[in-house]
Amino acid sequence: DVKVTQSSRYLVKRTGEKVFLECVQDMDHENMFWYRQDPGLGLRLIYFSYDVKMKEKGDIPEGYSVSREKKERFSLILESASTNQTSMYLCASSPQDRGLWGYTFGSGTRLTVV
Amino acid sequence: GQSLEQPSEVTAVEGAIVQINCTYQTSGFYGLSWYQQHDGGAPTFLSYNALDGLEETGRFSSFLSRSDSYGYLLLQELQMKDSASYFCALDNYGQNFVFGPGTRLSVLP
Repeated sequence: DVKVTQSSRYLVKRTGEKVFLECVQDMDHENMFWYRQDPGLGLRLIYFSYDVKMKEKGDIPEGYSVSREKKERFSLILESASTNQTSMYLCASSPQDRGLWGYTFGSGTRLTVV
Repeated sequence: GQSLEQPSEVTAVEGAIVQINCTYQTSGFYGLSWYQQHDGGAPTFLSYNALDGLEETGRFSSFLSRSDSYGYLLLQELQMKDSASYFCALDNYGQNFVFGPGTRLSVLP
């Protein structure tokens, strides 16, 4: 069964900490994405990547960075966690011609910053 | 930019038909997609409309009208397991999807 795996289901971090959220996909997909999900706001795109070592800013990149050193792994980094980054973080991947197949999402990481 | 609007909540009874609407504002896009998300779960892909008209997949159908900047998801023969949140999403020229705020569907017995 193909899947997108996020390393942690729940995380609690302190304000100012550097936080790493890891995502691994086993489908050999070219595209990977990081979204955050907040009630009433839907899913908002933070960063995405079309290929190894490539990254593009989404709609809300401030306070975040990403790393894609291998095709299957896409990491989201919170440089200095703040309470307004408390959210559900969803990783997704898709093949190049994604329109027909859509995204495959991971189960999410619920991050709480205290 | 792009923006989408959906009703926040919809309620229907088991066996009924329900339509979840999505209106959008955009300067251009490739298509409209729908995703389902159960509480605590990952969003899952339901459908993609590249062209105007109705696409049917089992009990679910999705519709797009570019001239009206409007789409909908139609769920027939509702089952309790259809209780979930449903998101419409615009295909942003093949770069990524822009999601709506989501509609929470409650199916009552």
